[in-house]
Amino acid sequence: DAGVTQSPTHLIKTRGQQVTLRCSPKSGHDTVSWYQQALGQGPQFIFQYYEEEERQRGNFPDRFSGHQFPNYSSELNVNALLLGDSALYLCASSSFGVTQYFGPGTRLLVL
Amino acid sequence: DQQVKQNSPSLSVQEGRISILNCDYTNSMFDYFLWYKKYPAEGPTFLISISSIKDKNEDGRFTVFLNKSAKHLSLHIVPSQPGDSAVYFCAASEDGGSQGNLIFGKGTKLSVKP
Repeated sequence: DAGVTQSPTHLIKTRGQQVTLRCSPKSGHDTVSWYQQALGQGPQFIFQYYEEEERQRGNFPDRFSGHQFPNYSSELNVNALLLGDSALYLCASSSFGVTQYFGPGTRLLVL
Repeated sequence: DQQVKQNSPSLSVQEGRISILNCDYTNSMFDYFLWYKKYPAEGPTFLISISSIKDKNEDGRFTVFLNKSAKHLSLHIVPSQPGDSAVYFCAASEDGGSQGNLIFGKGTKLSVKP
């Protein structure tokens, strides 16, 4: 049974560019949440998708947007990248409960 | 203002002994708490959780204790093993976890020495 998968594993971009990160949830899960983890910090909630809609959003600017597809996979898009967007981006999936299961993350470096 | 605080950035324990990781929270609306373990280059792995209607939950070597009046929880690992060396995150949620927003602490790095 495959767990949560994310792609790519690493990414280097320059300021002002746009990036798309991808996530496939654990089998049987229908809810996907995205988190940003800066160095030395805990993960910070960006938003959650359920039934292809954004259900809840954290304190992140509109440059951060997402999408969920009918097969429950999800994308995180970040526009107009800033140096401060450099972080580990984690995707977590869940179903009918609190326990969220995390993927390995995508490490984004903005130069 | 941090709502979930893990005040010890690191902890070193001898193999076979007990590891106690602590977590404090400020939001009285939190009613569900989770502990995750994270190895380098991997995502956080769910360990154990506890609802605010309980004060203790056990799973094998891992026990979580919740003191609601003190807004404090702790994770006990007995006995500690070298493979337990990782960063441990405490997380909290409102509304029994029906909302997606998990609030994490900054983590405690546990080192278990053989």
